Amino acid sequence: GQQLNQSPQSMFIQEGEDVSMNCTSSSIFNTWLWYKQDPGEGPVLLIALYKAGELTSNGRLTAQFGITRKDSFLNISASIPSDVGIYFCAGPYTGTASKLTFGTGTRLQVTL
Amino acid sequence: KAGVTQTPRYLIKTRGQQVTLSCSPISGHRSVSWYQQTPGQGLQFLFEYFSETQRNKGNFPGRFSGRQFSNSRSEMNVSTLELGDSALYLCASSLSGHEQYFGPGTRLTVT
Repeated sequence: GQQLNQSPQSMFIQEGEDVSMNCTSSSIFNTWLWYKQDPGEGPVLLIALYKAGELTSNGRLTAQFGITRKDSFLNISASIPSDVGIYFCAGPYTGTASKLTFGTGTRLQVTL
Repeated sequence: KAGVTQTPRYLIKTRGQQVTLSCSPISGHRSVSWYQQTPGQGLQFLFEYFSETQRNKGNFPGRFSGRQFSNSRSEMNVSTLELGDSALYLCASSLSGHEQYFGPGTRLTVT
């Protein structure tokens, strides 16, 4: 089946630093979604990408849809304490838009 | 616009019992999907309902079932609970299926 691998698994950074994480797949995706989840809460949709090569921003967050369609990247600039959480990439299962496959997640911790 | 709501937020059940979880989607959204989240398996798709019909199904046993009402509200039911069913159950609603908006989840503990 489709698998999404995220790296790094976790990262500790200092407030103000920029963060980069990525998501890779063994299969081609036509849509990439990035979510953030806080402890005990549901994932919150951050960015949606629909075209290979597309670069989309949402405030300090920027995501890119990889040219090969098998990867995506998320950057966070000037991190702040509330960026702490788990970031997931997700994409629809082949031929089924509503059945999302989720990545393994990147846990971000920000130190002051 | 109000977000996705799920009730109850927390639930403790005993092995062998059954449970029903409820989800109210964002107004206007007709697609409702359910996911199970565990530390070991991550987020896994259970099923999706659209206009009261199950449109997609994940790889879960028949003990897991759901339904959707005419107002798009959805329920999922788990019968004969097992310890391994302890998880965060998440509901997500969508207009088209692609961009899904999640509720806060129901934390189910089976003892």
